[in-house]
Amino acid sequence: SAVISQKPSRDICQRGTSLTIQCQVDSQVTMMFWYRQQPGQSLTLIATANQGSEATYESGFVIDKFPISRPNLTFSTLTVSNMSPEDSSIYLCSVTPGLGYEQYFGPGTRLTVT
Amino acid sequence: RKEVEQDPGPFNVPEGATVAFNCTYSNSASQSFFWYRQDCRKEPKLLMSVYSSGNEDGRFTAQLNRASQYISLLIRDSKLSDSATYLCVVNTVDSSYKLIFGSGTRLLVRP
Repeated sequence: SAVISQKPSRDICQRGTSLTIQCQVDSQVTMMFWYRQQPGQSLTLIATANQGSEATYESGFVIDKFPISRPNLTFSTLTVSNMSPEDSSIYLCSVTPGLGYEQYFGPGTRLTVT
Repeated sequence: RKEVEQDPGPFNVPEGATVAFNCTYSNSASQSFFWYRQDCRKEPKLLMSVYSSGNEDGRFTAQLNRASQYISLLIRDSKLSDSATYLCVVNTVDSSYKLIFGSGTRLLVRP
């Protein structure tokens, strides 16, 4: 499995500001994904980060609110824009290293918006 | 109907007990199935893939019943360290490599 790191691990942000979360993998991977997990809930997929093209967003998530970059096969960023307290959550990136469907997760970024 | 359904629990069992979780999925065309484990305030970690023939990894046994569209996870000789939330996961059928996560079953193993 790949080794995945995320920065920052946690942050407390003010309403109306933006935060960019980085996801770095130690090897080239096929697919990268961004999830949100709110307290006591399961994972909700935000988008698939596509290398060299625009991300593919799930219903209920839009690019203006969650812009995503993926400049190469080992790195992606997710920005949470114009934050509100409802954005307080854990944000996780995951990767699919090979041809199978298994996903491996980064340690997550715990975001609190005040 | 949810695409992946699990009993949220919690299942509260003594050490050494055998415990089983079931999960149902709605799309009969799904091909890949997994169990993930998530500890409190940690990321999900792949526990095991689930194959049509069933598979075993130490104290853990996973089985797939395609006809009834359910997946099971059996844990034998439960340890305190098995306390976690177990997520049933199924692939989407649109060849996008996306996964659908169940809401999880919480297991508490007591001394």
